[in-house]
Amino acid sequence: EVQLVESGGGLVKPGDSPRLSCAASGFIFSDAWMSWVRQAPGKGLEWVGRIKSKTDGGTTDYAAPVKGRFTISRDDSKNTLYLQLGYLTSEDTAIYYCTTDKAVAGRAFDNWGQGTPVTVSS
Amino acid sequence: DIVMTQSPDSLALSLGERATINCKSSQSVLYNINNKNYLAWYQQKPGQPPKMIIYWASTRESGVPDRFRGGGSGTDFTLTISSLQDEDVAVYYCQQYYTTPPTFGQGTKVEIK
Repeated sequence: EVQLVESGGGLVKPGDSPRLSCAASGFIFSDAWMSWVRQAPGKGLEWVGRIKSKTDGGTTDYAAPVKGRFTISRDDSKNTLYLQLGYLTSEDTAIYYCTTDKAVAGRAFDNWGQGTPVTVSS
Repeated sequence: DIVMTQSPDSLALSLGERATINCKSSQSVLYNINNKNYLAWYQQKPGQPPKMIIYWASTRESGVPDRFRGGGSGTDFTLTISSLQDEDVAVYYCQQYYTTPPTFGQGTKVEIK
């Protein structure tokens, strides 16, 4: 069974740089493309960024609002995905979900974690 | 970026009624090489993460009841719930993954009248 467990969220101050983690199990993590998607309180879903598998280049892509501020990385030896947040503002307050990007579905998001909430407030 | 627009924003129907949600993309998400529409539907129940229920516009994810049906091609898509059940109360999102960034519709809230 695929499991994705996010952690690292909480109350942070503007300008802080917390790191979120997503512990994965139940599938071959090193083969997976992984994404982060966020959801502001009472709002819809917003893709944050993606990291490809190392065999597919290990490259990253980011949404415009976070490019240059957030960094996605992975440690395949630990089956863990990371999201380094930076230069946070209140606009980044959201639940952050990690997802697997299903290869046979063209990279739709087939598995989601429960999410970790990040609240940016002074 | 491709803009996804859903309609209606919400709908309230009686148990057993048919629910239809529309999703329109600002440009085609049909890839001519493989003739597939890069369009997915997600269901998000209160307090839960989203769950993918349809991909390739019309392929049901494993375990999804067959009362959920996805249709359409190019820029216009629909999600139909043939006979609404209590457990279908949720917000439904369409999403294109034809281009980066993948983008979502604003969501449609489905309630029981």
